[in-house]
Amino acid sequence: SAVISQKPSRDICQRGTSLTIQCQVDSQVTMMFWYRQQPGQSLTLIATANQGSEATYESGFVIDKFPISRPNLTFSTLTVSNMSPEDSSIYLCSVERRDSSDTQYFGPGTRLTVL
Amino acid sequence: LAKTTQPISMDSYEGQEVNITCSHNNIATNDYITWYQQFPSQGPRFIIQGYKTKVTNEVASLFIPADRKSSTLSLPRVSLSDTAVYYCLVGGRNKLVFGAGTILRVKS
Repeated sequence: SAVISQKPSRDICQRGTSLTIQCQVDSQVTMMFWYRQQPGQSLTLIATANQGSEATYESGFVIDKFPISRPNLTFSTLTVSNMSPEDSSIYLCSVERRDSSDTQYFGPGTRLTVL
Repeated sequence: LAKTTQPISMDSYEGQEVNITCSHNNIATNDYITWYQQFPSQGPRFIIQGYKTKVTNEVASLFIPADRKSSTLSLPRVSLSDTAVYYCLVGGRNKLVFGAGTILRVKS
């Protein structure tokens, strides 16, 4: 497995502002992902954070709203831009090592509330 | 991507064995079956993964029939702390698609 930390663990933000969430892994991993979990809902994949290149976004998510960086093999950031109350969710990063099972391991999540 | 169907919720009592079945009729040849557990305000925790037949680890067993169109997560002797949401996922590399999950409530 991998030890994954996220900062901040939670935040309350005002409408129209932006928040950057950090994800740090204790070892090098091949793949990093960002998910969103809206209140009472399941997880939805936002994008795959690619090291050294632009992130790959899923349908319904765009770079202008959720810019992602991945400067190295242990760190990634997700920014939620121009926030509205509909962005209130838990944001989770996950990591995957390229072994035979491709298992993903999740961070503790960042709980975001937008007022 | 294969879609999964699980019961919305299940109730059990401490000490009982719990079996949660997941249907995935459109599973692809290269897809693995993975189960996660999620407690409130935490990220999903990996439980077990398999491709076919039976897999067992220290916390659970996973039974997969030959046609792989379904799978059953077996939790032996559950306790109150096993109350959580359990997700069944099928997929290949990178593409984890979460369904609604099963809310398991363990009662004393």
